[in-house]
Amino acid sequence: GAVVSQHPSWVICKSGTSVKIECRSLDFQATTMFWYRQFPKQSLMLMATSNEGSKATYEQGVEKDKFLINHASLTLSTLTVTSAHPEDSSFYICSARDPQYTDTQYFGPGTRLTVL
Amino acid sequence: QKEVEQNSGPLSVPEGAIASLNCTYSDRVSQSFFWYRQYSGKSPELIMSIYSNGDKEDGRFTAQLNKASQYVSLLIRDSQPSDSATYLCAVKTGFGNEKLTFGTGTRLTIIP
Repeated sequence: GAVVSQHPSWVICKSGTSVKIECRSLDFQATTMFWYRQFPKQSLMLMATSNEGSKATYEQGVEKDKFLINHASLTLSTLTVTSAHPEDSSFYICSARDPQYTDTQYFGPGTRLTVL
Repeated sequence: QKEVEQNSGPLSVPEGAIASLNCTYSDRVSQSFFWYRQYSGKSPELIMSIYSNGDKEDGRFTAQLNKASQYVSLLIRDSQPSDSATYLCAVKTGFGNEKLTFGTGTRLTIIP
């Protein structure tokens, strides 16, 4: 299967700071990437769909000015959590769709964010 | 009504037995169906995809799809302790919609 990487794998930051998470497709070009958030013992919640070269599409209830998404190339999408607060602490996971396999999404390893 | 429903479990199965995981979905025009496995603290890992009615087998795993009943299942034969994880059912609904809708997952424990 296709390989998707994320960096960093975990991050601890102070309240009010911003954190950038990178998502890369390593062996394929991904025109579309997805960002999810998962709280403990809950399922994945889609935050936004990231399309290369255009603005991201955010799900209802997700603040686009707080969660900035940039999909600048076919292999890289970034999520920046701005002015982070403790309630933003969560497991952030990206996925990328491999066009060769139509609908299949492959997930990155995730980034665990802790805001103090 | 939730779009994708799964029994949250926990489901306990003896080692070597067959584990059966079920999922129902509400959108009749759903086209693509996926099963992901998620170990605690890790991200989801694709197990199988299925698009047509019937069974699809891959090793110890068999996915079953019944679009008329809006039902998809995953069977795990010869269950191993390493199969203990949360299994997520995901559905892609509609044409031109790339989003996946996930169920809440079923926690499976294989008892040695």
